[in-house]
Amino acid sequence: AQSVTQLDSHVSVSEGTPVLLRCNYSSSYSPSLFWYVQHPNKGLQLLLKYTSAATLVKGINGFEAEFKKSETSFHLTKPSAHMSDAAEYFCVVTPFGYNKLIFGAGTRLAVHP
Amino acid sequence: EADIYQTPRYLVIGTGKKITLECSQTMGHDKMYWYQQDPGMELHLIHYSYGVNSTEKGDLSSESTVSRIRTEHFPLTLESARPSHTSQYLCASSESRGNYNEQFFGPGTRLTVL
Repeated sequence: AQSVTQLDSHVSVSEGTPVLLRCNYSSSYSPSLFWYVQHPNKGLQLLLKYTSAATLVKGINGFEAEFKKSETSFHLTKPSAHMSDAAEYFCVVTPFGYNKLIFGAGTRLAVHP
Repeated sequence: EADIYQTPRYLVIGTGKKITLECSQTMGHDKMYWYQQDPGMELHLIHYSYGVNSTEKGDLSSESTVSRIRTEHFPLTLESARPSHTSQYLCASSESRGNYNEQFFGPGTRLTVL
């Protein structure tokens, strides 16, 4: 069975400090993995995606994620948080050839001055 | 910025009304999707379509119906709205090619049924 677990429902950081949003997945087949961000009253925007190429994936706005097959993880990081990063972040998996996205429950990131 | 649009953005209606949530995309994508998202929760797929005249129910049971008469248009209808239908509805689309499905999302419709 395919599933996604986001280990933290809320993360709070100070502006300028690193961000770590954790995601573990379960997939029977070679998965594609995504991180989406959702700002209040907005649709979801793709941050980055892993599709079996380089395991370290760089996305928009300084975010990156590393695919670790041995740990079945795809954690999202950013070296220095900005106030505009405050949003809901969703880790998403889709197994190879599977036509649906499987969403995690989301992590709400708060950034304090 | 993805070219996928949803109207209305916000809707407050009374119980028993028939409503249609509109979704259109200008990217020529064959695949389109409807998700339901309650506050602070993950998205659940309620309908999807792989092309014109193709519609399927998603993982979450929904009383809504959809149609796909044109590639760019994927409206969702509730024949008789109830308070339990209060939620946010997100539309998405993706290409048919490739081994992964990067989906592009619309801004959503926040529905409140009184």
